[in-house]
Order: sequence, then structure tokens, then C-alpha cells
Amino acid sequence: GNSVTQMEGPVTLSEEAFLTINCTYTATGYPSLFWYVQYPGEGLQLLLKATKADDKGSNKGFEATYRKETTSFHLEKGSVQVSDSAVYFCALAPRGGGADGLTFGKGTHLIIQP
Amino acid sequence: GAVVSQHPSWVICKSGTSVKIECRSLDFQATTMFWYRQFPKQSLMLMATSNEGSKATYEQGVEKDKFLINHASLTLSTLTVTSAHPEDSSFYICSAAGTNQPQHFGDGTRLSIL
Repeated sequence: GNSVTQMEGPVTLSEEAFLTINCTYTATGYPSLFWYVQYPGEGLQLLLKATKADDKGSNKGFEATYRKETTSFHLEKGSVQVSDSAVYFCALAPRGGGADGLTFGKGTHLIIQP
Repeated sequence: GAVVSQHPSWVICKSGTSVKIECRSLDFQATTMFWYRQFPKQSLMLMATSNEGSKATYEQGVEKDKFLINHASLTLSTLTVTSAHPEDSSFYICSAAGTNQPQHFGDGTRLSIL
């Protein structure tokens, strides 16, 4: 079956530090990949996505590249801010689009200190 | 952006009672809705997928008689936890997807069974 593995948290960084949150997946076929963010007290929000190999999703300074050869979709940001503190979930959809339920990783709690 | 409203956000009830959770798409027609369950410090686990006017498709291990799902219109799906017990206590999250729309998530419902 499908699965998503992401680095365990919490991850604590200082403001303006470089961020990497690792995510690898197992899936058959050609899944779409997503990063969702959950701010304290709020629901999940789509941060970025990629639908095919070598695609790069980007939003709010965050980036992730769909690497089929390494089955990875690592999240990066060059300079984090305190407001980036949240829980980040990597997820995949088997066929892309909205027709399939998502398989999520366990989430990574990111804490940015001023 | 698209909004999904989930109600109630928190419910506490006695063991043996049934609890209904509503999920509404406020500004688009949701042809498919999903229900997830999240245990503390764990990932979201897909429970079931429902398409408007059809019976829900449940994931392996999810009791369909315990978790009744109704998707009677393109803007509303309900999850009823029947004869709830303490082990049903969890965080339940719905998402909705329309044609060419990614999944949009509700803010979740925290269910506590005493």
C-alpha cells in the first residue's frame, strides 16, 4: 500500500535559519505529492503540491521538488520566520486531483525561535 | 479561497450516545468528501470516501455500522458516530473536493467520550 514517511519532530530553529523537512513516499504508479500546514488552532491548509516527476511546488517561500528516483519530496525554505511555526504534513494522492483520499505522513512540528 | 465548514468543533458526550458531525462546502460543489481521523501525535488516517448520492467507501478496518456517513447533497456530508465509546475519542477531520478542485479541509471536530 501507499505510505509517507517524514522526519520526526519537533524541529526547533532560529529565525532566518534554513529549513529542510524530509519526506519520502512509497506508492505505485504516479502519485501527486502535497505539503499541508496546520497552524495552531486551525485546520489543514494546502501549502504546495507537485503532480509529476521533477515538478517543483512553491508557495510563501517554501519549495519542494518531486524526485521520483529517490521517491522524495523534501520541503525547504531559505529563511524561516517565527510565523512559520506550525505542523507540516507531507501527503500523497494516488492519482492526483481531488478524487482520492490522501495518505499522510505523521507530521513535523516546526518551532521557530526569535 | 474555498472554505469547508465543520461543526461542531468540540463535543463531549456520555458513552453510548450517538454524535453527528457536519461538513459543509460553503462556496463550491463538493462531488467527493472525505473523513479522516487523527490520534494525538499521529497522522491523519483516511476513514472513508463519500460521493454525493452514493454509499460511502470505507477503508479497511473502519466499521461502517459504527461510523455512518451520509452525503445527501453537493454541499453537505455528515458523519455519525453511533453508540460512541471512550475509544472513539479522537479528532475527526473532513475534506471536500470538487471537479478540478484539490481537497479543502475543515477545521476538525474534537470528540471526547466520557
